[in-house]
Amino acid sequence: DAGITQSPRYKITETGRQVTLMCHQTWSHSYMFWYRQDLGHGLRLIYYSAAADITDKGEVPDGYVVSRSKTENFPLTLESATRSQTSVYFCASSEHRPGGTDTQYFGPGTRLTVL
Amino acid sequence: GENVEQHPSTLSVQEGDSAVIKCTYSDSASNYFPWYKQELGKRPQLIIDIRSNVGEKKDQRIAVTLNKTAKHFSLHITETQPEDSAVYFCAASIDYGGATNKLIFGTGTLLAVQP
Repeated sequence: DAGITQSPRYKITETGRQVTLMCHQTWSHSYMFWYRQDLGHGLRLIYYSAAADITDKGEVPDGYVVSRSKTENFPLTLESATRSQTSVYFCASSEHRPGGTDTQYFGPGTRLTVL
Repeated sequence: GENVEQHPSTLSVQEGDSAVIKCTYSDSASNYFPWYKQELGKRPQLIIDIRSNVGEKKDQRIAVTLNKTAKHFSLHITETQPEDSAVYFCAASIDYGGATNKLIFGTGTLLAVQP
């Protein structure tokens, strides 16, 4: 678990501001994911990446931007934060398993509050 | 796309009793079904998973069963202990030859084990 970290752990921002959440993993996993967790909705996939420079949308991508220039980093940017983006954000990573899905390991989470 | 429903949303049991959490999925192509445990304020962690070529899997007090025909799978915890108290999430993944590795999560079950 210590191999995947997120920063900051807590963030308070205002509506309209740009915010970037960082995710770093030391396992050289191919896949990385961003989820948001809200009461009553479980974990919802925002964006994912199969490898460096390859990203794709998940269930709830609107209002978010991602990039992956290096295998170990997968930052998530809220270009203009809204109150509805107040949530706990989890980053996860997994290895590529030919012909199957491998375990996803989650980071510790970032609690974001948009005022 | 895939949809995962999870029941019940809350479950209270006496210490030593068994607990069962059920999930249904919509896409018959789903072939990987993990279960995650999330303690309060912590990250989700994998506790057990099952693939579609297996009907049941056990790990000490935890077991998962899969019924592909009915498209549902269940988590069984026997001899519950207070430390089993947490939120449990089921998930389903669709593998396109390992091309996506995406998970769709259920909305979670809050399990409370009463001493």
